[in-house]
Amino acid sequence: ETGVTQSPTHLIKTRGQQVTLRCSSQSGHNTVSWYQQALGQGPQFIFQYYREEENGRGNFPPRFSGLQFPNYSSELNVNALELDDSALYLCASIPSRLGNEQFFGPGTRLTVL
Amino acid sequence: SQQGEEDPQALSIQEGENATMNCSYKTSINNLQWYRQNSGRGLVHLILIRSNEREKHSGRLRVTLDTSKKSSSLLITASRAADTASYFCATDPASTSGTYKYIFGTGTRLKVLA
Repeated sequence: ETGVTQSPTHLIKTRGQQVTLRCSSQSGHNTVSWYQQALGQGPQFIFQYYREEENGRGNFPPRFSGLQFPNYSSELNVNALELDDSALYLCASIPSRLGNEQFFGPGTRLTVL
Repeated sequence: SQQGEEDPQALSIQEGENATMNCSYKTSINNLQWYRQNSGRGLVHLILIRSNEREKHSGRLRVTLDTSKKSSSLLITASRAADTASYFCATDPASTSGTYKYIFGTGTRLKVLA
């Protein structure tokens, strides 16, 4: 157990809809990263938040957005869903801004029909 | 895009044998980490090796890093059925210092037969 939780576990949406995924990090972990993992692929970095500010972004369009809250929870929002957005979405919390080990949640499996 | 590539893509061995998987990457790094993932669930951190280190051990795991060749290897000794999982390397590129934009490889699917 990493102490990082994600909700929901599974989600089915249709094209064009919007979705919000949630992550609850360990207390004291003020950095959180979000990853998208397509089937059979490695996770791809979406963005990272540090103390409620975006602190780096991968090659994802603006319809992927996020929020981080003072209580160590965070959200990933995806607008105008596309079929290719179907994937496992993982959040990872990091104990300090000095890097090191990431603690991953179990992920949310999103299916877009 | 993926920074790293693991080799082989899939590996099947007998229980008790050693498993070796390799990771190659493209740019200079601050550190490299190995993760395990069971059946499409969350990733579990196994070991971190910094760019100025050449080898690290953790239990049955041994990781080497060759920055001149931009490659790393993970050795699992005396494998067990419970080691069956996908293994990923993740690099922290030196160019993104301060962001921890970890870039994952494509993974090696290990199957350990009892």
